[in-house]
Amino acid sequence: DTGVSQDPRHKITKRGQNVTFRCDPISEHNRLYWYRQTLGQGPEFLTYFQNEAQLEKSRLLSDRFSAERPKGSFSTLEIQRTEQGDSAMYLCASSSGQGMSNEQFFGPGTRLTVL
Amino acid sequence: QQPVQSPQAVILREGEDAVINCSSSKALYSVHWYRQKHGEAPVFLMILLKGGEQKGHDKISASFNEKKQQSSLYLTASQLSYSGTYFCGTGENSGGSNYKLTFGKGTLLTVNP
Repeated sequence: DTGVSQDPRHKITKRGQNVTFRCDPISEHNRLYWYRQTLGQGPEFLTYFQNEAQLEKSRLLSDRFSAERPKGSFSTLEIQRTEQGDSAMYLCASSSGQGMSNEQFFGPGTRLTVL
Repeated sequence: QQPVQSPQAVILREGEDAVINCSSSKALYSVHWYRQKHGEAPVFLMILLKGGEQKGHDKISASFNEKKQQSSLYLTASQLSYSGTYFCGTGENSGGSNYKLTFGKGTLLTVNP
């Protein structure tokens, strides 16, 4: 399978705990994105990487959130001191960055439930 | 600012047609259409670029009116597999900043036998 993969698919945690999610983009894609989606809403942009450089972070991303893409391949999203409001689907997407079209392909997501 | 999609929901019988609209208050460079089934990731359908042509494949097509900052998705002779939530994602700038998509709230399409 050459699509975007995410791990874990589901995570249940208690309030105050730290969680980390992983995203593996399509292998030749140099752009990687994190989005968050809550029930009844479209995905909301969180952050964007071009290769290993994090080029933008949304204001939605508080200081408790951090994302890395150390070698320009896979990426991790960590949430510290989780709150119930963090419960959502966290989606990763990647694009090739070739040309101007920038088609983004999404992974299956990690569903986070904070109790 | 989030694009506005209409209608919020539509119910069809198999074989009927539907149009889903996406409107933005900002000048757009690109419009991306996705379909998402319950519990699954959004699946890319097509992208329309400023100055580009109307796109389509099979019985799904889309148009982009740059002046009106609107896009429409056309589904003809709908199939049961078309059921899902359709999202438009808008990109506001060209070049290096054309990466962040702003999504609408979605249009729930239900196709019944």
